[in-house]
Amino acid sequence: GAVVSQHPSRVICKSGTSVKIECRSLDFQATTMFWYRQFPKQSLMLMATSNEGSKATYEQGVEKDKFLINHASLTLSTLTVTSAHPEDSSFYICSASTSGTFYNEQFFGPGTRLTVL
Amino acid sequence: DAKTTQPPSMDCAEGRAANLPCNHSTISGNEYVYWYRQIHSQGPQYIIHGLKNNETNEMASLIITEDRKSSTLILPHATLRDTAVYYCIVRVNQAGTALIFGKGTTLSVSS
Repeated sequence: GAVVSQHPSRVICKSGTSVKIECRSLDFQATTMFWYRQFPKQSLMLMATSNEGSKATYEQGVEKDKFLINHASLTLSTLTVTSAHPEDSSFYICSASTSGTFYNEQFFGPGTRLTVL
Repeated sequence: DAKTTQPPSMDCAEGRAANLPCNHSTISGNEYVYWYRQIHSQGPQYIIHGLKNNETNEMASLIITEDRKSSTLILPHATLRDTAVYYCIVRVNQAGTALIFGKGTTLSVSS
């Protein structure tokens, strides 16, 4: 099956700093990547959808200036949490989709746990 | 909003079959039923999907009612490692369409 990696797996930062999370599709080209976040004991919430070379489409209530998404290539998308605050502490999960061999399946990364002090 | 309804929790004895129900009464003709699971602190894992026919793979079976308004995921011989949150999702099989997660069912498998 297709493999999606995320880096780092966990990060702790001080309030006010920015954090970048990378999402890579290792063995396929991802035409679309998605970013989710998950608070404790809650379900995954879709934050944004990004297509390679295009601006990301953000879900209602997600601040695009705070959560910067870059999808510069077919194998890499990054999420930057700018000026992080404790309420941004969450589990961030990316997924990648392709319209090729895997028939529009969506493959998930292992997640990144962000803790803002 | 999620288009599916699932029981919040279920218990299953190890070695027995786990049958997880899902209601999707407003499903459209071009929407597929997907099942994913999430083991604690990991990314979701794909299990199976189907349109209208029953499907089986090495992990599970998916039974979809004839009117497509509900489905059941069957884990034939549950193990402790199957303890997870199981999500039933309906989605068109179209590139670029995100999976929208509901609350899912927490399955607890015990010995």
